[in-house]
Amino acid sequence: GAGVSQTPSNKVTEKGKYVELRCDPISGHTALYWYRQSLGQGPEFLIYFQGTGAADDSGLPNDRFFAVRPEGSVSTLKIQRTERGDSAVYLCASSLLGDTQYFGPGTRLTVL
Amino acid sequence: RKEVEQDPGPFNVPEGATVAFNCTYSNSASQSFFWYRQDCRKEPKLLMSVYSSGNEDGRFTAQLNRASQYISLLIRDSKLSDSATYLCVVKFYTGTASKLTFGTGTRLQVTL
Repeated sequence: GAGVSQTPSNKVTEKGKYVELRCDPISGHTALYWYRQSLGQGPEFLIYFQGTGAADDSGLPNDRFFAVRPEGSVSTLKIQRTERGDSAVYLCASSLLGDTQYFGPGTRLTVL
Repeated sequence: RKEVEQDPGPFNVPEGATVAFNCTYSNSASQSFFWYRQDCRKEPKLLMSVYSSGNEDGRFTAQLNRASQYISLLIRDSKLSDSATYLCVVKFYTGTASKLTFGTGTRLQVTL
């Protein structure tokens, strides 16, 4: 069946711009996670949704980062006033009731 | 101190060799443990879960020592296709979420 999909696969933007990254989880998966992976590092947790609500957003680095999941399926990660330090691969994962997390291919964000 | 620590490598080994990776974690309340594999510019994929009793999957053996807070992965008879980054992962349940914490990964290069 279809796995987790993320769009766009690559995003290049200029410092100060706003970006939206989209995640389509595996159908029926109630839990959705966002991670950020910088070069040479493992993925770092950003936020977790159970259904429509953010159950844990403790990993969001600051208030420029925000994520939504209005209908309990697709999620959008929004970054305002992007900075060069935001450049990374943003990974989305989904799971069924907190079981094994399946990752999408990621969005590679480059802030110039 | 990082929550999950791994030797970043790279480990360069010839085909057919046995190689072992180690990982330590700092949070004694961690509850589940995994090894993920990540190929270059790809998403992480679950390789295997890790249990105190030790578990084996073909050429791969994983072991957990809760007292020492130490996790290991042994790969026997290495293949060229085993070349990848191996991420040590710890899962921690907070009551509302189950967060994965990743190590930086250990890079393995298997050569002819």
